[in-house]
Amino acid sequence: AQSVAQPEDQVNVAEGNPLTVKCTYSVSGNPYLFWYVQYPNRGLQFLLKYITGDNLVKGSYGFEAEFNKSQTSFHLKKPSALVSDSALYFCAVRDGGSGNTGKLIFGQGTTLQVKP
Amino acid sequence: DAGVIQSPRHEVTEMGQEVTLRCKPISGHNSLFWYRQTMMRGLELLIYFNNNVPIDDSGMPEDRFSAKMPNASFSTLKIQPSEPRDSAVYFCASSLVGALSYEQYFGPGTRLTVT
Repeated sequence: AQSVAQPEDQVNVAEGNPLTVKCTYSVSGNPYLFWYVQYPNRGLQFLLKYITGDNLVKGSYGFEAEFNKSQTSFHLKKPSALVSDSALYFCAVRDGGSGNTGKLIFGQGTTLQVKP
Repeated sequence: DAGVIQSPRHEVTEMGQEVTLRCKPISGHNSLFWYRQTMMRGLELLIYFNNNVPIDDSGMPEDRFSAKMPNASFSTLKIQPSEPRDSAVYFCASSLVGALSYEQYFGPGTRLTVT
């Protein structure tokens, strides 16, 4: 069965420092992986995806993610955190068992807190 | 594009009343998803449609919940009768499934409060 895990409920980082939000996955077949961000009282916003190609994927707001097949991970990273990056982050994987319907399986979310 | 549109943005109702949430997906998208988000249970997939056909409604909590998609540009989620435990933020999302495109785009949500 397809699944995705975000091992940290919360990540704290100082402004200007690099940040990493972790995600691991379990899929049968090729993984299609996604990161979303949710600001307070807003819907989820798509940040980036890995489907195929370069293992380092660049997305919105200076975020990037590294696909690691051997470790089944897709960690979200940013070289220099901003206070405005504080939000809830979700990792997701396409549910290959649902056919070609676009269903995604979301992790439980990680709260990122960036302190000035 | 205006993105996914949901209405109303806020709904306060009394227990036992019927509630209807509405969603207009992004034009051209062929899949539509209804989610519910609470602090206790996180983000839950309720039901999803592909080409206006319901594919999987196993996430619908009870028979009190129903969803329809009469055409490619409109969907409703109805709760009848509503209960306080239905209080949550309900999101609609749409995607264009095919080739290498699977990302979903979410609406702003409807915050439902049942008293």
